[in-house]
Amino acid sequence: GQQLNQSPQSMFIQEGEDVSMNCTSSSIFNTWLWYKQDPGEGPVLLIALYKAGELTSNGRLAAQFGITRKDSFLNISASIPSDVGIYFCAGQLTNFGNEKLTFGTGTRLTIIP
Amino acid sequence: KAGVTQTPRYLIKTRGQQVTLSCSPISGHRSVSWYQQTPGQGLQFLFEYFSETQRNKGNFPGRFSGRQFSNSRSEMNVSTLELGDSALYLCASSENYEQYFGPGTRLTVT
Repeated sequence: GQQLNQSPQSMFIQEGEDVSMNCTSSSIFNTWLWYKQDPGEGPVLLIALYKAGELTSNGRLAAQFGITRKDSFLNISASIPSDVGIYFCAGQLTNFGNEKLTFGTGTRLTIIP
Repeated sequence: KAGVTQTPRYLIKTRGQQVTLSCSPISGHRSVSWYQQTPGQGLQFLFEYFSETQRNKGNFPGRFSGRQFSNSRSEMNVSTLELGDSALYLCASSENYEQYFGPGTRLTVT
């Protein structure tokens, strides 16, 4: 099945560092969503983006919807231990009530003590 | 509001058996989607139901089926289980295209 290209695949950072990850697609989407998944749990919605060029913040998180509609970026500032987990982007083409999400391959974030 | 609930959380089945998984969406949400998550293939869309009708379907064999009831609760069925069906099965309910996931059902096929 189709997956979006997400990078980096993994990140090892120290507490307090900023984090950046991105997601690219060969096709356009009109909605981008970013999720975080902890082990044994379902993904939790962090940020939703609806408009090309849109920049949205949620606390220490900020995400942007690329102007080409084929990419998106997520930034986490001043990382803390609870940021550890796997981050997924998801694209959605919401025409005719289409709810299908196409997910990225994930970015695993680890904080080095 | 209570979140999306899925039952059971864990399940062990034998090859050839069938299984039914259940999902209760967030109150008021009419769309329910199902996804399969495996280490190799990641998160893959199975199907979506809206008002008891399948509105969209992913690229899975016919052994995977689902349905939705009038109260928006949904069930997913997998018949003739194969080893490769071992996965975390996630259900998501949505409002205004924002999908909220349940904790998943971990299915192990032996």
